[in-house]
Amino acid sequence: GGIITQTPKFLIGQEGQKLTLKCQQNFNHDTMYWYRQDSGKGLRLIYYSITENDLQKGDLSEGYDASREKKSSFSLTVTSAQKNEMAVFLCASSPPGTYYEQYFGPGTRLTVL
Amino acid sequence: GDSVTQTEGQVALSEEDFLTIHCNYSASGYPALFWYVQYPGEGPQFLFRASRDKEKGSSRGFEATYDKGTTSFHLRKASVQESDSAVYYCALGDSNYNVLYFGSGTKLTVEP
Repeated sequence: GGIITQTPKFLIGQEGQKLTLKCQQNFNHDTMYWYRQDSGKGLRLIYYSITENDLQKGDLSEGYDASREKKSSFSLTVTSAQKNEMAVFLCASSPPGTYYEQYFGPGTRLTVL
Repeated sequence: GDSVTQTEGQVALSEEDFLTIHCNYSASGYPALFWYVQYPGEGPQFLFRASRDKEKGSSRGFEATYDKGTTSFHLRKASVQESDSAVYYCALGDSNYNVLYFGSGTKLTVEP
């Protein structure tokens, strides 16, 4: 078995601030994903990475940057936090050949004041 | 683009009731379809999949049948339990890019 760890669990920032969320997995999976979860809107893909140093944009990439410097870690940066923004950011990974069976972390809840 | 629609935002049932959560998709060809479940405080978990017309997926007493004619993949369970209370997501797969497109989710609450 394995686990996905997301840090921090709660993140509070100020408007305009750059904020970084971190994700670690010990499944040894190649592909990793970042999603944003808003109430009533489901999960929307921000970025994904199919291998170390690879980055692919999802439908919601504007306003975010990502970094995959190691196979086991995938970071997401909110480049300029928006006031009143509140969402949960979920990290996931998937085994080779089974992109659809994604293993998710517990999420980072972002609040922007 | 490809998309999935879940019409019910919330469903409230009593234990032993029959469950149906509706999922319709919009895509060309035969996309793979999936159900995920998210319990409070956790990330979503893969439940099951189906990838061709009339194929039934199932897990933990839940099932759904791929219907190309009605572009649907409705989730059903014959007798729900309080422990089934969770958010259920229907998803569509794009194997060209190895990504999933999720629906908006349906929150199921089961009263004892």
